This record gives sequence, C-alpha cells and structure tokens, in this order.
Amino acid sequence: DQQVKQNSPSLSVQEGRISILNCDYTNSMFDYFLWYKKYPAEGPTFLISISSIKDKNEDGRFTVFLNKSAKHLSLHIVPSQPGDSAVYFCAANPGGTYKYIFGTGTRLKVLA
Amino acid sequence: DGGITQSPKYLFRKEGQNVTLSCEQNLNHDAMYWYRQDPGQGLRLIYYSQIVNDFQKGDIAEGYSVSREKKESFPLTVTSAQKNPTAFYLCASSIAGQGTQQFFGPGTRLTVL
Repeated sequence: DQQVKQNSPSLSVQEGRISILNCDYTNSMFDYFLWYKKYPAEGPTFLISISSIKDKNEDGRFTVFLNKSAKHLSLHIVPSQPGDSAVYFCAANPGGTYKYIFGTGTRLKVLA
Repeated sequence: DGGITQSPKYLFRKEGQNVTLSCEQNLNHDAMYWYRQDPGQGLRLIYYSQIVNDFQKGDIAEGYSVSREKKESFPLTVTSAQKNPTAFYLCASSIAGQGTQQFFGPGTRLTVL
C-alpha cells in the first residue's frame, strides 16, 4: 500500500516557465517532507524540505507547499531550466524514526 | 572531501551466490540506510541503522542482511534467498534526528545472471 504517491510519472515544461510537481500522502502523522532530485545512475540529491508545522518553504527557485488537510504537497520550480531535467522524489518521515518513505518519482523534462 | 562511497559501480553475480555491497561514509553520521530502486518504482527501504551495532528491517528486508560494526561502514549482503536481486542499490547516511536530510552514495547496479 503506497503511503506516498506521485501520480504523474512524467511532466514536460518549457524553459522559463513554472514546473509543479505533486505528491500525496495517506498518513496524517508524517512529520517532515523532503524533495530529492535524481539523475540516471546517480544517487538522489537533497533539494528542499518542509516540516508539518509549516505550509511553505522557499529556497531560491524552489518552493515547497504543504496542505495538511488535503495531505498534499507540491514543489514549484520557477523559472525552470534545462538542467532541472531529472526525476524528482518526495519523501515523508513517519515520526519516531529517522527513516523516510519515498514516492515513485516524477520525471521532469524542461524543453529549451 | 566528505561523502559516501559505494563500490563497485557495477556488479555481476551468478544466481545462487551471495554478494556484499560496500558503503562507507566519512561524514560522521550516526544513521545509515540501504535502499533498492527498480524501474518505475521509488526507493524502497531495505535496512537502516540509527547507531553502531544496531539496525532495523525496512520494508523489503527479506533475502538481505547487514552489519554495523563501525560508524563509517554499513555493508549489505544480498543472499541467495533474495528472489529478484537485480536492481540499483543506494546507500545513504544522515545525522541523528528526525527531519534531517539523507546524503546518498552514487549507487551500485547489481545484475544477477
């Protein structure tokens, strides 16, 4: 049973426009959420995180929004650049441990 | 240069053989993790360790074993009991505490022939 879901396997966006990647979760006890970016045959790299006590966190071109009532978070990338083309994973921490549950990923393609 | 190393990058083994994947970190992190990634799937947690000499099963621990004798090292053994071992394996580490980011190694692609 998938507790963290990324329902869009892929997304294409024009360079300079906004990319919005979505993530839904089922467990209201999740405390922290992270977004990772991954290139093929490499390990994921951390992008941005948000705690469940916040509804927004911003870091440069990346903003994560958390809607706890809807159990939904989204990652906004503005403006999108060709180098942003990668697979993006959201991950949630269940609380009480250090482990994370990952979504299945969304492949973003930014077109030049 | 601090980081996580995994070796080798590519590994081939015959069916029925055990194989050990190496993971070393010099970030002084207490916690370490092993994930598996299959095509079209997310990262699934195999085992994790929050402190030396202690580890817990993740969601798909069957057919795998680990040890954590040193803070820097968390080797993963893929045993012959693992029914479908061909996959991309990722090791990660983090400081102790919830909500902290995990740092990932470059991964090992294991192919069982």
